[in-house]
Amino acid sequence: DAGVIQSPRHEVTEMGQEVTLRCKPISGHNSLFWYRQTMMRGLELLIYFNNNVPIDDSGMPEDRFSAKMPNASFSTLKIQPSEPRDSAVYFCASSLTSQFFGPGTRLTVL
Amino acid sequence: SQQGEEDPQALSIQEGENATMNCSYKTSINNLQWYRQNSGRGLVHLILIRSNEREKHSGRLRVTLDTSKKSSSLLITASRAADTASYFCATDKLRGNTGKLIFGQGTTLQVKP
Repeated sequence: DAGVIQSPRHEVTEMGQEVTLRCKPISGHNSLFWYRQTMMRGLELLIYFNNNVPIDDSGMPEDRFSAKMPNASFSTLKIQPSEPRDSAVYFCASSLTSQFFGPGTRLTVL
Repeated sequence: SQQGEEDPQALSIQEGENATMNCSYKTSINNLQWYRQNSGRGLVHLILIRSNEREKHSGRLRVTLDTSKKSSSLLITASRAADTASYFCATDKLRGNTGKLIFGQGTTLQVKP
């Protein structure tokens, strides 16, 4: 298995632009998690899905953030409009018991 | 509120020495896990210890769990320069567990060659 796949690996965009991050979980895993990591705030859970259903989105910062999981093999995290304070590394992880993390997307909003 | 908190925040040792990191948490758990993160990479799962276990070993790693004190420790023996990374503990919730983990702030370990 290739592990959790995230794309793009790096994204540089200008304030106000829409950003879409993508994740392909490990086949057979039934939970998917989106995290954000910054030096100041550490690793924060944004939202997670169980069997493609959003379970807890209390970590989503504001309405500018949205996430979908249309099927068991794909999820997106969208930021619209993006702001400089959204700059961070965004990780996707999938699990049955232990979580397996993707390589992350480093987002820079100018 | 943050579930897991590690200490120390940073640790610097010489190659060959042992490294001990501690984690404290607040609520009852099913299990506690330790993860490692190399700079610029995602987190990698190291070891899981269940709430009814007190100690677990995996290679050079030794994890202890004291549920009465709500604390865990990770010991890396005979450290190597390649062990340089950040280490995080993560806990689930005893009830209503759906796989969600709460991560601590991490301990940054530097192993000098």
